[in-house]
Amino acid sequence: DQQVKQNSPSLSVQEGRISILNCDYTNSMFDYFLWYKKYPAEGPTFLISISSIKDKNEDGRFTVFLNKSAKHLSLHIVPSQPGDSAVYFCAASAGRTGGFKTIFGAGTRLFVKA
Amino acid sequence: KAGVTQTPRYLIKTRGQQVTLSCSPISGHRSVSWYQQTPGQGLQFLFEYFSETQRNKGNFPGRFSGRQFSNSRSEMNVSTLELGDSALYLCASSLTQGVTEAFFGQGTRLTVV
Repeated sequence: DQQVKQNSPSLSVQEGRISILNCDYTNSMFDYFLWYKKYPAEGPTFLISISSIKDKNEDGRFTVFLNKSAKHLSLHIVPSQPGDSAVYFCAASAGRTGGFKTIFGAGTRLFVKA
Repeated sequence: KAGVTQTPRYLIKTRGQQVTLSCSPISGHRSVSWYQQTPGQGLQFLFEYFSETQRNKGNFPGRFSGRQFSNSRSEMNVSTLELGDSALYLCASSLTQGVTEAFFGQGTRLTVV
């Protein structure tokens, strides 16, 4: 039962261009969404998040968009840099009524070419 | 402030054996979650502990168990190891339940042969 899906296993982008990573979820109880970045041999690190009461959150080069009606969120990285090459995990969290459970997607490997 | 510490970093075990992994959360953090990462499966949620009590559990067999101590340190145990248990096991700590930004350790790479 994959409640959080990242359908693209990998994405390749030229340096300086926009990277768009997508994520879909199925459970309406999710009310908080996060993106984590993971380099090889390291644990995931928190990147950016968005509450379900918002449709956009921006932090520097990173913007997350949430479309609740479509149960879809996306992470935009502009401009992309070679150091952004990593695996990106989308995560969705349920509040108290959902037992505070956080579910992760399978990840998308981003390659940024110099 | 020290980060999340997982020990050991690497482990090789034989089928049928049991293994215990350890996680020390960030000081002051009371919630510890465990995840299994395998290629193509992403981070699969194992369980979450808060105040020494298991609060959430994922869809893993009973061979996977855990506990949390009064100092918030947590251990995860896998009994009767199978080849398919080979994975990176990640521990994440957060201040409390409902605080969704978690801090991950570097993980323990378990190989079952």
